[in-house]
Amino acid sequence: GQQVMQIPQYQHVQEGEDFTTYCNSSTTLSNIQWYKQRPGGHPVFLIQLVKSGEVKKQKRLTFQFGEAKKNSSLHITATQTTDVGTYFCAGPRGNKLVFGAGTILRVKS
Amino acid sequence: NAGVTQTPKFRILKIGQSMTLQCTQDMNHNYMYWYRQDPGMGLKLIYYSVGAGITDKGEVPNGYNVSRSTTEDFPLRLELAAPSQTSVYFCASSYFGGGSYNEQFFGPGTRLTVL
Repeated sequence: GQQVMQIPQYQHVQEGEDFTTYCNSSTTLSNIQWYKQRPGGHPVFLIQLVKSGEVKKQKRLTFQFGEAKKNSSLHITATQTTDVGTYFCAGPRGNKLVFGAGTILRVKS
Repeated sequence: NAGVTQTPKFRILKIGQSMTLQCTQDMNHNYMYWYRQDPGMGLKLIYYSVGAGITDKGEVPNGYNVSRSTTEDFPLRLELAAPSQTSVYFCASSYFGGGSYNEQFFGPGTRLTVL
């Protein structure tokens, strides 16, 4: 069945450094979503990408959807301590979402 | 507009006990989902519903049951609790199921420990 792989599993960066997490699907996706989960919290929707090659920005966060609509990335410029948490990508499968395993981001101040 | 609410926030069960995790949403969403998240891990789908009266299994349904008698409520029932069911349980809802614009709204979660 459809799988969504996410790398890296874990990343520890110095405050001010950049961070990127990558998401790869075994099948073409109609769209891809990104969620953030703060430590001890619940997943919160960040953004959805729909078009091939789409790039969207939210302040220091840049989201990309690959040309083949099978991969995506989230890049954070100049990380801050408020960026800590787990970032999940998710792709639709029928009436459900298939979530990647998530990338845990820790930021050293 | 409270969004998705879950009760209880925390619960400790003994092996073999049963309980119901409550989930309610006030956004008139047709689609509702139950996930479990083990420490440091991702989200695993337990059950989901595409509307009142319709439920279906996710990837880890064993040991759980659900019902959906109203649009708002989607309770999750644990029968004969086992230590392997120690986890954080999240309920989520969305307006659309598949396709675009089907972002899911999550509740705050229920932290369950089975001893």
